[in-house]
Amino acid sequence: AQTVTQSQPEMSVQEAETVTLSCTYDTSESNYYLFWYKQPPSRQMILVIRQEAYKQQNATENRFSVNFQKAAKSFSLKISDSQLGDTAMYFCAFMKGFGNEKLTFGTGTRLTIIP
Amino acid sequence: DVKVTQSSRYLVKRTGEKVFLECVQDMDHENMFWYRQDPGLGLRLIYFSYDVKMKEKGDIPEGYSVSREKKERFSLILESASTNQTSMYLCASRDSPSVEKLFFGSGTQLSVL
Repeated sequence: AQTVTQSQPEMSVQEAETVTLSCTYDTSESNYYLFWYKQPPSRQMILVIRQEAYKQQNATENRFSVNFQKAAKSFSLKISDSQLGDTAMYFCAFMKGFGNEKLTFGTGTRLTIIP
Repeated sequence: DVKVTQSSRYLVKRTGEKVFLECVQDMDHENMFWYRQDPGLGLRLIYFSYDVKMKEKGDIPEGYSVSREKKERFSLILESASTNQTSMYLCASRDSPSVEKLFFGSGTQLSVL
């Protein structure tokens, strides 16, 4: 079974600074996908970024980027120029293969952006 | 945009009651999921459904059942609610050929007293 570990239950950072959230996973699969989801106080889960394991290039979405280290099974999220609206729970998730597969989530990191 | 609607945002029930949590999606998605979210435990999968009348157990199915009679609706049933089922319940859907993302509802915070 796959496991996803987020070792930072809470983090805080000053507005406009850069913050990195950690995620490690354990799998024997070779074909899989990794995701970061954001859950603001509204409770609506939002996909932030996704990474295919077969791609060596790290995914980037505006201020959000990942550092995907396949050999180390590490998938960290970097938020640049952090904004107050980035305050949320962030969940790392894993999905094997393609199609009718479930997502396995980590325990989450509560990120607070300080004005 | 895809909309996933959960029937209640907050729900309070008594121990032993039969509880129905309803989820409806409007984009003809084949896959639907029920997760529960607890502090320090993240999201854990209860049940999922690949298509109408199909269901698969997730990681924590004990004490729950599901029903999917129509493609757009996926119901989670607590046959006899217990206090340890007090939690946030999140429904999600996905168009099966796509791995792009899950679409989530806004969650139901269930309290069992």
